[in-house]
Amino acid sequence: GDSVTQMEGPVTLSEEAFLTINCTYTATGYPSLFWYVQYPGEGLQLLLKATKADDKGSNKGFEATYRKETTSFHLEKGSVQVSDSAVYFCALSPYGANSKLTFGKGITLSVRP
Amino acid sequence: DAGVIQSPRHEVTEMGQEVTLRCKPISGHNSLFWYRQTMMRGLELLIYFNNNVPIDDSGMPEDRFSAKMPNASFSTLKIQPSEPRDSAVYFCASRRAEGGETQYFGPGTRLLVL
Repeated sequence: GDSVTQMEGPVTLSEEAFLTINCTYTATGYPSLFWYVQYPGEGLQLLLKATKADDKGSNKGFEATYRKETTSFHLEKGSVQVSDSAVYFCALSPYGANSKLTFGKGITLSVRP
Repeated sequence: DAGVIQSPRHEVTEMGQEVTLRCKPISGHNSLFWYRQTMMRGLELLIYFNNNVPIDDSGMPEDRFSAKMPNASFSTLKIQPSEPRDSAVYFCASRRAEGGETQYFGPGTRLLVL
């Protein structure tokens, strides 16, 4: 079945550091890929998505590129801020009316001033 | 636009009591999902509906859990009787039924069963 694997956490960075969070997936066909973010005490929010190979999703300075050859969707940001401290989830969804999201375990990012 | 609305936001109850969680999806969305989040197990899909019909309830832990969607704008998740191991944050999410569309999450209900 479909699965998403995220790098182990937590991750602690200093403000303005470069961020990479790895995500790889296993799926049949061509799923859509997502990054969701969960701030403390809140629900998940869509951060960015990509629906086909080589697409780049971007939002709030974060980027991720759909790499079918490596089945990856790594999240990057050039300069993190304290306000980026949150839990980040990678997810995939196959195409179809009855499809559902498969989430990775999530990784906690803490950014120090 | 109002997002997904969940109530209550917090619930504290005693073991054995019935708990009902409520969700109002975004207007025009015809798929609805119930998730549970715990430290130990992460984010788990419990059940989801398309056009008010349950499609997959394989994630529902046991018979103590039940979910209904009587109309397009309302769903409930009921736990009867509740147990301490049911303590978790329960999220509702909605989306349009076409595949690949984004799910939009509510703020969650934090449940504590004593």
